[in-house]
Amino acid sequence: DQQVKQNSPSLSVQEGRISILNCDYTNSMFDYFLWYKKYPAEGPTFLISISSIKDKNEDGRFTVFLNKSAKHLSLHIVPSQPGDSAVYFCAARTGANNLFFGTGTRLTVIP
Amino acid sequence: NAGVTQTPKFQVLKTGQSMTLQCAQDMNHNSMYWYRQDPGMGLRLIYYSASEGTTDKGEVPNGYNVSRLNKREFSLRLESAAPSQTSVYFCASSEVGSTNQETQYFGPGTRLLVL
Repeated sequence: DQQVKQNSPSLSVQEGRISILNCDYTNSMFDYFLWYKKYPAEGPTFLISISSIKDKNEDGRFTVFLNKSAKHLSLHIVPSQPGDSAVYFCAARTGANNLFFGTGTRLTVIP
Repeated sequence: NAGVTQTPKFQVLKTGQSMTLQCAQDMNHNSMYWYRQDPGMGLRLIYYSASEGTTDKGEVPNGYNVSRLNKREFSLRLESAAPSQTSVYFCASSEVGSTNQETQYFGPGTRLLVL
């Protein structure tokens, strides 16, 4: 059973506009959430994270929002750039070593 | 500082053959992980090692064995490969940071095809 879900397999956005990637989870014990970015033929690279005690974390053009009551988090990229085109994975952790990953959303930023 | 390295990058096996995937990290991390990624699915944890000398099963351990050779190296072995093990395998390492949260750093992956 998939505990972390990314229901949009793909997203296309114009350069300069906002990209919003969504993630839902089912396990209320998750206490730490991360976003990873993955280019073809490379491993995932860490992008941004948020603890369950916060509802927002910002790092430059990237902001992650957490809505615990809805069990939903989102990643906002503003402004989107062509180099942001990649697959984005949402991941969540319960406090042990296991990370549970979503299935990924392929973002295409159109110049 | 190479981060996490994996060998080989690509391997083709016949059903029933065995092989070992190698992983090494130079970040002095205590924890190391093996994941597999299949089309339409997220990364799934196979095994992890919280520290040198310990290993634990993850979500999908069947058909695999691991060895934490030392702090730097964590290998994944397929004793008798099956077509269902065709996948991309990622190794990762992590350390708890100053904010008491950990981030996993991934290697480039090994593409395995089992015929």
